[in-house]
Amino acid sequence: DAKTTQPNSMESNEEEPVHLPCNHSTISGTDYIHWYRQLPSQGPEYVIHGLTSNVNNRMASLAIAEDRKSSTLILHRATLRDAAVYYCILIDAGNKLTFGGGTRVLVKP
Amino acid sequence: NAGVTQTPKFQVLKTGQSMTLQCAQDMNHEYMSWYRQDPGMGLRLIHYSVGAGITDQGEVPNGYNVSRSTTEDFPLRLLSAAPSQTSVYFCASSGFNQGNGKNIQYFGAGTRLSVL
Repeated sequence: DAKTTQPNSMESNEEEPVHLPCNHSTISGTDYIHWYRQLPSQGPEYVIHGLTSNVNNRMASLAIAEDRKSSTLILHRATLRDAAVYYCILIDAGNKLTFGGGTRVLVKP
Repeated sequence: NAGVTQTPKFQVLKTGQSMTLQCAQDMNHEYMSWYRQDPGMGLRLIHYSVGAGITDQGEVPNGYNVSRSTTEDFPLRLLSAAPSQTSVYFCASSGFNQGNGKNIQYFGAGTRLSVL
């Protein structure tokens, strides 16, 4: 499975946008880019996914570089409830998720 | 809408004891999987199943057995518990389209296991 690289942690002020980078230089043409987050003491939950084009949903936006070697998860207005560990994961054929260390997001009031 | 249900939520075992962690989903998903998460770490895949009667090993399968007799249930058995198996265990499920990596996975709330 192709690997991803994320910063260990990021801080943001409440109501400000958060940009979470993910590098995946060995991505293959059929790999989907998925983002999950894990709130404290909970199981991971799906945030967003994409293949080539930028994607938006009610939780976040996903910006994918033209060469697909990197992507950015954007939380438009961080709230205290967005404090979590965010995982960037590549998935090819099948459903296996390979979790790295993720990025711990701290939101300051 | 129950989703993925794991029982028990907490469990304490003595070394050498056996137990089964239960996982059930009500979304008619074909794919189910078990992960463990050690403190401060990401999740690691233990076993997975692509449908009833079909199971396969993940990254860290030693010391665990699984079976998939129905679509809904995917129990994880610890044969002889060891302190190294102290962890939080998560079950997940998703639809399964072979050759397609876009399926969303749904996770249970987890089982916190301590082995003394």
